[in-house]
Order: sequence, then structure tokens, then C-alpha cells
Amino acid sequence: NAGVTQTPKFQVLKTGQSMTLQCAQDMNHEYMSWYRQDPGMGLRLIHYSVGAGITDQGEVPNGYNVSRSTTEDFPLRLLSAAPSQTSVYFCASRNPTGRDEQYFGPGTRLTVT
Amino acid sequence: GENVEQHPSTLSVQEGDSAVIKCTYSDSASNYFPWYKQELGKRPQLIIDIRSNVGEKKDQRIAVTLNKTAKHFSLHITETQPEDSAVYFCAARVHNAGNMLTFGGGTRLMVKP
Repeated sequence: NAGVTQTPKFQVLKTGQSMTLQCAQDMNHEYMSWYRQDPGMGLRLIHYSVGAGITDQGEVPNGYNVSRSTTEDFPLRLLSAAPSQTSVYFCASRNPTGRDEQYFGPGTRLTVT
Repeated sequence: GENVEQHPSTLSVQEGDSAVIKCTYSDSASNYFPWYKQELGKRPQLIIDIRSNVGEKKDQRIAVTLNKTAKHFSLHITETQPEDSAVYFCAARVHNAGNMLTFGGGTRLMVKP
């Protein structure tokens, strides 16, 4: 199993540009989530999904959209990037009926200039 | 929502000494408390976790204790080694709210040889 994968690893955007961060998992996990990690800080929840077709907002959802059309994929969209969205983004997944552990992807480092 | 506070933000110890990191949480409905280790540029990795029906859990040199009444939990690392140097995050999960994690702000542990 590849686990949780994210693309791209690095991205530089100009203010106002849009892009989609990709996240996929091959463990058939129902729960998926997106976190952002700012320098020297903990991870903050952006959006999450408890199954295909179901999404909800986390602690810091403004400026981001998500959708969950399949169990495997959970893309995060930035519609109009702002410098405040410069961060490292981690996708995570979990099997709600299995182990408690949440599995993290390798992260995407995003810089908005 | 849940709020998790973590102390200290930095901790420097001599190799072989013990290290203790403390966290408090606000929501008494939280029932799962993991600890993550994050090395520079890497994803968070689960090192130990505890559920609310257990007071203490140990795995070799690391242990976690939980005091539900006081709503705090701690990570204990004994016989520290230079490779323990990293940022450590505590987290808490409320049973509802999509079962997502709320993270503390992190502790940078430096183990001096």
C-alpha cells in the first residue's frame, strides 16, 4: 500500500491564482481530512470528510473548498490564493472502525507571493 | 470546540535525562489522546496514544499518563537520545464532530549529547 499520497510536494503561487492540492489514499479509509501547519505551530483542521459525498468545515475553512466524490480522493481547492495561505498542508485518513491512528500524507509546501 | 494547550514550547535536556511534555484539553467529551513526533520537513508520526478509559500506557522508553478529572495528559521520555530531538505534538479527539484531532502548539525537544 502507498498509504496517503499528496501532490505536488512544493508549489509557488501568485496572489489571486487558484490551484488544487491532491490527496489520495489506498487503505479504503472513510475518514479524510486536511490540516495546515504554519511555522512553529501545530496543525489546524481545514475541512474533513466522513465518507464519499460528505464534507464539513474544520477550524480554519475560509478560502478553501473540498469535495469527496470517491473514497480514495479528497482534493483541496484554493480559489484565490492569498499570502496568508502560505503554509504546509497535510492530508490525513483514518478507518473509523479500526485502529484509532490517523495516517498523514507527506505534505505540500505552498508559498503564495 | 476543543482547545489543547501544550507546554513547554521548547525543552532542552542532556542525553540520558528524562523529558516531560504536558498538555491540557478543554472538552470533557474527548476520549482519545495521541502524541506525534515530527522531524524537520517530515510528516507527523504517531509514537504513542491513550484512550480515556486508561490512565497510563508505556512503550519502551516512552509513556503517556492521563488525568481525566484535571483534563491533562503528559508524555514522558526516559533515557533520552540525540535521535529523540524533534517537535512533539499532543492532540485530542472528541467522540463526535467527525472524530478529527485538535492539536497542541508543539514542543521542540533538543537532546544534547
